[in-house]
Amino acid sequence: QKEVEQDPGPLSVPEGAIVSLNCTYSNSAFQYFMWYRQYSRKGPELLMYTYSSGNKEDGRFTAQVDKSSKYISLFIRDSQPSDSATYLCAMTAGGGNKLTFGTGTQLKVEL
Amino acid sequence: GAVVSQHPSWVICKSGTSVKIECRSLDFQATTMFWYRQFPKQSLMLMATSNEGSKATYEQGVEKDKFLINHASLTLSTLTVTSAHPEDSSFYICSARDFRGQNNSPLHFGNGTRLTVT
Repeated sequence: QKEVEQDPGPLSVPEGAIVSLNCTYSNSAFQYFMWYRQYSRKGPELLMYTYSSGNKEDGRFTAQVDKSSKYISLFIRDSQPSDSATYLCAMTAGGGNKLTFGTGTQLKVEL
Repeated sequence: GAVVSQHPSWVICKSGTSVKIECRSLDFQATTMFWYRQFPKQSLMLMATSNEGSKATYEQGVEKDKFLINHASLTLSTLTVTSAHPEDSSFYICSARDFRGQNNSPLHFGNGTRLTVT
């Protein structure tokens, strides 16, 4: 079993839809959680960074962490075609430990 | 925000030659940088951790003599793919952590280098 599970998609939604992206993990030591967006042939871009259970909002993006269920989510409101990309979750126990990535979910927002 | 610059963005080389990829932190000092490899439609695989002024730490299964890493300054790490072969063709991405903020600041990534070995 992988430490981090993420549905690879592809996920296709109409413009304006609310998108929900999810990851589950098995290592209870993970304390810091990140979401990255990666466009084709580009490096990952940090979107959200959280370290506690609950919600964190930044513009159209909301990151949600449920440590008791070992489940994290990224919500995108009013999705735009420019949101079409691969979204990677990543997490670490901190203290200099390595990041562990999900496989990424490919999202396509259609006009 | 922290910026990591990677060069070149893409390179084509002949089998048997060596290729150097540079990773620079532009507005912060990075004592540690990380090198990842990514295959199409797959996630990032950590290859090695580059430490300024000391030897790099390689992940299991990564040949240190094949992938030479040098971290000569606080803003520059280089990855050299030696005697490249077609199976080395991949997307290589570097990253660094800006420690000016929290101790567990997230990683910032360069834009990657697409290597094609013919």
